[in-house]
Amino acid sequence: AQSVTQPDIHITVSEGASLELRCNYSYGATPYLFWYVQSPGQGLQLLLKYFSGDTLVQGIKGFEAEFKRSQSSFNLRKPSVHWSDAAEYFCAVEGSWWGGKLIFGQGTELSVKP
Amino acid sequence: DGGITQSPKYLFRKEGQNVTLSCEQNLNHDAMYWYRQDPGQGLRLIYYSQIVNDFQKGDIAEGYSVSREKKESFPLTVTSAQKNPTAFYLCASSPRQGTSYEQYFGPGTRLTVT
Repeated sequence: AQSVTQPDIHITVSEGASLELRCNYSYGATPYLFWYVQSPGQGLQLLLKYFSGDTLVQGIKGFEAEFKRSQSSFNLRKPSVHWSDAAEYFCAVEGSWWGGKLIFGQGTELSVKP
Repeated sequence: DGGITQSPKYLFRKEGQNVTLSCEQNLNHDAMYWYRQDPGQGLRLIYYSQIVNDFQKGDIAEGYSVSREKKESFPLTVTSAQKNPTAFYLCASSPRQGTSYEQYFGPGTRLTVT
């Protein structure tokens, strides 16, 4: 079955440090991949998306993600974290096989230490 | 400003009562979605609609009902049959349902049933 796994439930990083959030998916073909961010009690905002082409995609707020087909991964990175990046991050997969619906990972909560 | 509105932000109900959550969009999107969010479980799809007067069950439709009488509106009713209705509910829309269309999310409604 199609699935998305975010192995880290909670990550804490120091402000200014680099960040990598992991995402692995299970899907037979090349999926469409998304990263969303959610501030507490709010809706989700799209950070970036991968549909095809260059496997390194740039998003808003200084985030980037790299699609690695061989590892079925789509990890989110940021070179220097700001306190305002503290939030919950969701990886999602969309595929034509299942009608274009989004399947979400469980989320990774990011805390930022001053 | 274009966007998705959900009201109310907080909703309290007694067990055994039906309750309807509002979702309105002025983005002229064809497709609309309802998700349920519980801590540590990511987002799960309840219902979705590709076009007016048509909707399909998602992964956890039991105990919920929807209608799509107008393009801009997709209300969700949480019925007394839903065994554990307390959750955060998110509405989303996309230009069409299908691959490569980004979903835009509303701010959510937190429902508490006691």
